[in-house]
Amino acid sequence: DTGVSQNPRHKITKRGQNVTFRCDPISEHNRLYWYRQTLGQGPEFLTYFQNEAQLEKSRLLSDRFSAERPKGSFSTLEIQRTEQGDSAMYLCASSLVVPPYEQYFGPGTRLTVT
Amino acid sequence: AQKVTQAQTEISVVEKEDVTLDCVYETRDTTYYLFWYKQPPSGELVFLIRRNSFDEQNEISGRYSWNFQKSTSSFNFTITASQVVDSAVYFCALSLSNFGNEKLTFGTGTRLTIIP
Repeated sequence: DTGVSQNPRHKITKRGQNVTFRCDPISEHNRLYWYRQTLGQGPEFLTYFQNEAQLEKSRLLSDRFSAERPKGSFSTLEIQRTEQGDSAMYLCASSLVVPPYEQYFGPGTRLTVT
Repeated sequence: AQKVTQAQTEISVVEKEDVTLDCVYETRDTTYYLFWYKQPPSGELVFLIRRNSFDEQNEISGRYSWNFQKSTSSFNFTITASQVVDSAVYFCALSLSNFGNEKLTFGTGTRLTIIP
């Protein structure tokens, strides 16, 4: 049983560019979550999906951020017109909607905006 | 609104000592779940425990134990006979859903260093 995978692991981009990250959850997991973690802080919730439906979005998710999970499997998180404040680790997690409910995290994508 | 506070930013102990990591939470809901995650230097968050608000029994798993006290809104984590491999950042988290499978609100973490 493979874990949650995320690609790329690292991304360096110039301010104003668009970036897209991918998350592949554990295969039988219905729910998929995105979090953002800045240095010295705990992860902050961004959004989550149940199958292909986006059930909740944080106010942290500005109009420049969009997430999709078109077929209920992998998900993408796109950031348009990146800003230096977007530099962070973007974490993906997945879980079941039946027990056990724990969220299992991927290794993250570290974004650096120069 | 919910909040998780981990007042200890960094802790260092000598190997084999016991260490307790504190977690205090705030919520007005009566149904909630509490979690602990470990983030080793590699960066990937590792699930340690999930506890619901109706179960105040303490739990022990090997060298790890958890003390949940609703009266003080605390969910503390103790490592007995610490080892160098326990060095990591530890996060306490709260979920307000009925099953603990919705968004997690994390504390700011405690960096634990075990000195050989």
